[in-house]
Amino acid sequence: EVQLVESGGGLVPPGGSLRLSCSVSGFTFRSYSMNWVRQAPGKGLEWVAYISTSSSTIYYADSVKGRFTISTDIAKNSVYLQMNSLRDEDTAMYYCARSILSGAFQHWGQGTLVTVSS
Amino acid sequence: NFMLTQPHSVSESPGKTLTISCTRSSGSIASNYVQWYQQRPGSAPTTVIYDDNQRPSGVPDRFSGSIDSSSNSASLTISGLKAEDEADYYCQSYDGNIHWVFGGGTKVSVL
Repeated sequence: EVQLVESGGGLVPPGGSLRLSCSVSGFTFRSYSMNWVRQAPGKGLEWVAYISTSSSTIYYADSVKGRFTISTDIAKNSVYLQMNSLRDEDTAMYYCARSILSGAFQHWGQGTLVTVSS
Repeated sequence: NFMLTQPHSVSESPGKTLTISCTRSSGSIASNYVQWYQQRPGSAPTTVIYDDNQRPSGVPDRFSGSIDSSSNSASLTISGLKAEDEADYYCQSYDGNIHWVFGGGTKVSVL
């Protein structure tokens, strides 16, 4: 069974940093691209970042470019999102999602909540 | 970049058929696959349709997807509506310019 489990969310002041983790199981991690998608309270879904198999290709949404960094650790079957210079508008539930070649998000984790507030 | 526009909400009675539209603002809807995600209150999204009209295993065949080039839109149709189908539904596509685009979401109510 495919499983994605996020962790690392919490309360952080504006300007602070946080590192989210997503531990995966049930599939060959190195064979799939991974993403982070977020959802602000009461709002819709917003794609945040993408990392390809072997980490050769990385993309970011314009709203987080230069502040967030996506990475993977194949040995730990994990994908990470390092978030720096956090802003109030980064407050959201953050989901990791496995994607396929067509761009579809095939499997989703349960999410981890990030709250940016003083 | 393009936008995907969905109705804010739709409602229908149990047992009926309901269709949600997703209109692409620029470029052809057929240029990139469209996906549909279901999100029940308090839960993570799940995939109900991918690659325009493909159903993941475990998704009932009451759910179907299609695209219409004449209206430049995609549609999600739910037949035999059940109370458990009450959720938010999001369409999504890839703009070919390194961006994944979501529609604003449609709240489905089963009356």
